[in-house]
Amino acid sequence: DAGVIQSPRHEVTEMGQEVTLRCKPISGHNSLFWYRQTMMRGLELLIYFNNNVPIDDSGMPEDRFSAKMPNASFSTLKIQPSEPRDSAVYFCASTPDRWDPTSRYMNTEAFFGQGTRLTVV
Amino acid sequence: QQPVQSPQAVILREGEDAVINCSSSKALYSVHWYRQKHGEAPVFLMILLKGGEQKGHEKISASFNEKKQQSSLYLTASQLSYSGTYFCGTEDQAGTALIFGKGTTLSVSS
Repeated sequence: DAGVIQSPRHEVTEMGQEVTLRCKPISGHNSLFWYRQTMMRGLELLIYFNNNVPIDDSGMPEDRFSAKMPNASFSTLKIQPSEPRDSAVYFCASTPDRWDPTSRYMNTEAFFGQGTRLTVV
Repeated sequence: QQPVQSPQAVILREGEDAVINCSSSKALYSVHWYRQKHGEAPVFLMILLKGGEQKGHEKISASFNEKKQQSSLYLTASQLSYSGTYFCGTEDQAGTALIFGKGTTLSVSS
């Protein structure tokens, strides 16, 4: 398998522009996560999906951020309008659906994409 | 909810040992450890489940004390390839997603 694929790898945009980040999870994985990484905050969970349904978007910083997963093989994270403070590396990760909700723990590893480095000027 | 890692950074020479700690303010059912090399994606190292199990990966092992809500990562006889940032991850409130600490940067020199 090619692993989790993200595009673009790098994006430079001007403040106020719309930015769309894309992610293709590993085939057969049921859960998809979007993280943002900065020096100050580390890896922050933004939103995650299970079977294409958004489960928790409480990590999305503002209404300017939105995410969709129209099918099992594709997800987007959109920022509109973008601001300089959105500059970060955005990671997408996927996991097979093998956690045990009755025991309340995750027993499976997450596979990360290579990330998109976003710079808003 | 974010787990707290310490120390923030460690500088070692090859062959030296290091310990990275991870603690949480909430009850834990599992702790996950990842390593990220500069400019790359985080890569899975190991999962520890409640029960105090000690898991190993090469010369890297870890322990989990669910009563103390803590985990420690032990790097023995460090190698240059161990350099990177180590993250511990714990479950969110629903137990269905990983929340990561801010990371511990490990630098190993020859």
